[in-house]
Amino acid sequence: DAGITQSPRYKITETGRQVTLMCHQTWSHSYMFWYRQDLGHGLRLIYYSAAADITDKGEVPDGYVVSRSKTENFPLTLESATRSQTSVYFCASSERGEAKNIQYFGAGTRLSVL
Amino acid sequence: RKEVEQDPGPFNVPEGATVAFNCTYSNSASQSFFWYRQDCRKEPKLLMSVYSSGNEDGRFTAQLNRASQYISLLIRDSKLSDSATYLCVVNNDMRFGAGTRLTVKP
Repeated sequence: DAGITQSPRYKITETGRQVTLMCHQTWSHSYMFWYRQDLGHGLRLIYYSAAADITDKGEVPDGYVVSRSKTENFPLTLESATRSQTSVYFCASSERGEAKNIQYFGAGTRLSVL
Repeated sequence: RKEVEQDPGPFNVPEGATVAFNCTYSNSASQSFFWYRQDCRKEPKLLMSVYSSGNEDGRFTAQLNRASQYISLLIRDSKLSDSATYLCVVNNDMRFGAGTRLTVKP
């Protein structure tokens, strides 16, 4: 029961480089989410997706791009990484987008932009 | 004002103590609320949902006060293993609080 997996777990990159963080879930959950977590800010929603080919912006989408060509995958791309994007990134999924649905999180990706 | 705010913490309590956290939210139309637990350098995991009438799960009690727009989490008989950061989330907006850190000491 793999659940939801993120890769890589750790990534160091340089300013200006493109970086893609991967997220894969095996539950066939409709909804998937990307958050970043920084000290003092808690989890902030970057993008979410209600289904394949449907994505929407969250609270902090600038500098990020997402796609969802398949239900099980939801990659997050930093097109030109900046130091302010150094953070821990969590992917999550939920069965439906209804307000009562629980989100299940991946183990996170720790990204450092030098 | 942030849309979801939590007690800043940290809370340092002895084993066996009762501790309570609050979380206020600004969107009066919010419908569902949860408490998640996050251990150091790990992903958040659901602790419990918060129901309108209040609900209990063992030593944990969650309550919702719609009039004052806050939810609370009460932990009785604290254990060392309860040490973690507790995040509240208001699901309509997928807004998480910044978290309250709890350390239970022997």
